[in-house]
Amino acid sequence: GEDVEQSLFLSVREGDSSVINCTYTDSSSTYLYWYKQEPGAGLQLLTYIFSNMDMKQDQRLTVLLNKKDKHLSLRIADTQTGDSAIYFCAETSPGTGNQFYFGTGTSLTVIP
Amino acid sequence: KAGVTQTPRYLIKTRGQQVTLSCSPISGHRSVSWYQQTPGQGLQFLFEYFSETQRNKGNFPGRFSGRQFSNSRSEMNVSTLELGDSALYLCASSSGQGATSYGYTFGSGTRLTVV
Repeated sequence: GEDVEQSLFLSVREGDSSVINCTYTDSSSTYLYWYKQEPGAGLQLLTYIFSNMDMKQDQRLTVLLNKKDKHLSLRIADTQTGDSAIYFCAETSPGTGNQFYFGTGTSLTVIP
Repeated sequence: KAGVTQTPRYLIKTRGQQVTLSCSPISGHRSVSWYQQTPGQGLQFLFEYFSETQRNKGNFPGRFSGRQFSNSRSEMNVSTLELGDSALYLCASSSGQGATSYGYTFGSGTRLTVV
């Protein structure tokens, strides 16, 4: 299967920016997604980026895609304690039959 | 619009038993996928159903099976439970029309504990 890698932990102070990174191996990825999982809950779609885009901004969230390096990042501006959660990147491509490949997840802790 | 509903939320089963989990997708969604989430392995794809047919399958033993009904509701079954099957089982629905900007919509999951 495809490999999607993330660092496991990130800790930031409230009000600072958080940057969560993800690398993937499938060069034919069409859509790349960021999901958030709070304790005891399912995964919530935060945002996505299409593979022909470099950047997408959605309120406090900025997604950057470097297709050459197969690197995706999620920047959360003005991080709040409610942003503490696990963040997963995911990718899908026609070649994988619409199957989603998820990263290992990054646990974000926001320190008040 | 109702979300993805999974039942039950929690289950405790004994090794060797079998279990059935249920998932009702968002109205109009024809694709249902199942994932197993464990601390050690992360999110692992089990299978995907579209219009009552299994369209994709992950790398799990035959003890794991599923089906989808004409109303798009899906069930997954695990027979001869093992301790290692303890996990959060997540169901996700989508329109199924190829990769889209909508991604998956996930349910809250069923927490299965095998003792």
